[in-house]
Amino acid sequence: EVQLVESGGGLVQRGGSLRLSCAASGFTLSRYWMNWVRQAPGKGLEWVANMNQDGSEKNYVDSVKGRFTISRDNAKNSLYLQMNSLRAEDTAVYYCAREDSGLHNWGQGTLVTVSS
Amino acid sequence: EIVVTQSPGTQSLSPGERATLSCRASQSVSSDRLAWYQQKPGQAPRLLIYDASTRATGIPDRFSGSGSGTDFTLTISRLEAEDFAVYYCQQYATAPDTFGQGTKLEIK
Repeated sequence: EVQLVESGGGLVQRGGSLRLSCAASGFTLSRYWMNWVRQAPGKGLEWVANMNQDGSEKNYVDSVKGRFTISRDNAKNSLYLQMNSLRAEDTAVYYCAREDSGLHNWGQGTLVTVSS
Repeated sequence: EIVVTQSPGTQSLSPGERATLSCRASQSVSSDRLAWYQQKPGQAPRLLIYDASTRATGIPDRFSGSGSGTDFTLTISRLEAEDFAVYYCQQYATAPDTFGQGTKLEIK
């Protein structure tokens, strides 16, 4: 069974940093593009970033470019999102998701709250 | 960036009725790389349809997707109580990937 479990969320001050992790199981991480998607309280889904199987290609939404970095460790079956210079508008539930023409599997999400 | 617009924002229907949800892209979505998701309160989204018309694993056949280019549709043939939720479309043809703002399907 495919499982994705996010961790690392919490309360952080504006301008601070946080590193999210996503532990994958039930499939071979190295075979798939992986994504981060976020959802602000009461709002819709916003795609944040993705990266290819070996990490050689990464894409970001404009609002996080230069502040967030997506990475992966296939040997540890883990995906990461390093978030720096956090802003109030980054407050959201962050989901990791496995891509295979569409996002087929999602974690339960981890809440990031940026206090101003 | 491809802007994706969903309509209507909210649709009120009764169980047993047919639902038709629309998703329009600001540019052509190459290879019909468009997906539909369902999200219920407090839950992660669930993939329903990918590549515009292919049902994901375990999705009932009352859900169907159609369209190409810039105009796509999700149809639910006969609504069941569990189908009342928020639906999102997403294009993944051109980075950055983008979601529509969602359509809330509510019980009339």
